[in-house]
Amino acid sequence: GQQVMQIPQYQHVQEGEDFTTYCNSSTTLSNIQWYKQRPGGHPVFLIQLVKSGEVKKQKRLTFQFGEAKKNSSLHITATQTTDVGTYFCAGPLRGWGKLQFGAGTQVVVTP
Amino acid sequence: GAGVSQSPSNKVTEKGKDVELRCDPISGHTALYWYRQSLGQGLEFLIYFQGNSAPDKSGLPSDRFSAERTGGSVSTLTIQRTQQEDSAVYLCASSLGRQGNYGYTFGSGTRLTVV
Repeated sequence: GQQVMQIPQYQHVQEGEDFTTYCNSSTTLSNIQWYKQRPGGHPVFLIQLVKSGEVKKQKRLTFQFGEAKKNSSLHITATQTTDVGTYFCAGPLRGWGKLQFGAGTQVVVTP
Repeated sequence: GAGVSQSPSNKVTEKGKDVELRCDPISGHTALYWYRQSLGQGLEFLIYFQGNSAPDKSGLPSDRFSAERTGGSVSTLTIQRTQQEDSAVYLCASSLGRQGNYGYTFGSGTRLTVV
């Protein structure tokens, strides 16, 4: 069946450094969404990418949708302690009205 | 309302008891979803409602789990004869439409502890 996979599972980052987390789907997606869940909180929608090769930025966060619409990445520059949390990508299952979530990348920031 | 509201926020119950979890979605959102998240784990899909269509129950782990959505708005997730493995955070989300083309707004969740 369709799967959405994220790597890495864990990411330890020194404050001020950059890092990238990746999302890969076994099938082509109509769109990819990213969510952030702070420790003890609930997932919060960050962004949706729809077009092949699309790049969107939110301050220090850069989101990219692959040309084949099967992969995506989230790049964070100059990591801050406020970036701590788990980042999930999600894509719609073909023919189904729900999203398939990846397992998430847990980000820990060391001051 | 302004967001997705879930109640109770915390529920401790004895093994074997039934529990009901409530979700009040954002007004106008036709799609409603229930997910479960165990400690440190990802999001496990449970059930999905879209308008007046029959719900997608493909994620319910056993027949002890059921859910309904009344009047296309409020939803209740019921777990009968609770077991310790049911302990988790139950998250409700709503979205504007179907086909996963719209972002989900999640509620704060209900933390269920079965003792």
